[in-house]
Amino acid sequence: AQSVTQPDIHITVSEGASLELRCNYSYGATPYLFWYVQSPGQGLQLLLKYFSGDTLVQGIKGFEAEFKRSQSSFNLRKPSVHWSDAAEYFCAVGALMKTSYDKVIFGPGTSLSVIP
Amino acid sequence: KAGVTQTPRYLIKTRGQQVTLSCSPISGHRSVSWYQQTPGQGLQFLFEYFSETQRNKGNFPGRFSGRQFSNSRSEMNVSTLELGDSALYLCASSDPGQGISGELFFGEGSRLTVL
Repeated sequence: AQSVTQPDIHITVSEGASLELRCNYSYGATPYLFWYVQSPGQGLQLLLKYFSGDTLVQGIKGFEAEFKRSQSSFNLRKPSVHWSDAAEYFCAVGALMKTSYDKVIFGPGTSLSVIP
Repeated sequence: KAGVTQTPRYLIKTRGQQVTLSCSPISGHRSVSWYQQTPGQGLQFLFEYFSETQRNKGNFPGRFSGRQFSNSRSEMNVSTLELGDSALYLCASSDPGQGISGELFFGEGSRLTVL
């Protein structure tokens, strides 16, 4: 079955520290991978995406993610966290659409708290 | 381009009532998806519309329905509201012309509270 797991429900880091949020997926087709961020009371915003090519992708707000096919992982990283990064982060898997819509599968989310 | 617009942003209803939520997608986007978000269940897919046709549906009871108009605007309706329907309802639009699902643009959501 297709699934996305985010092993960490909640993470707390100090401002200025590095960050890595984990994401593992199970998907039969070629995966298209995404990270979204949701600030309190807001909708989700796309941080970055991986379709093909270079397995290290850069996103907005200084985030990057690395696709590792052998580990079925797509971990999100940031070298130095800012207090404004406190939010909920969702990993998601999509697919190349053929004749029907392949709905996006979202992970359960990781809540990030930042200590000043 | 204007983003995805959802109305109303907040609403309070009582059990047994019905509610209609509206979503205006980004101009040119023909696909609109709806999600229910709750603390316990996370993001759950409700349904997706493309060119006025429902193409996919999640595992929700028939009380949850939707439609899409010729201008791509979408509405979802929940009838006979239950306490458990209290949630943030998110709408997302996308451009299937890209050939890839998942690159979704979300609205800020409609926060429904059922008393």
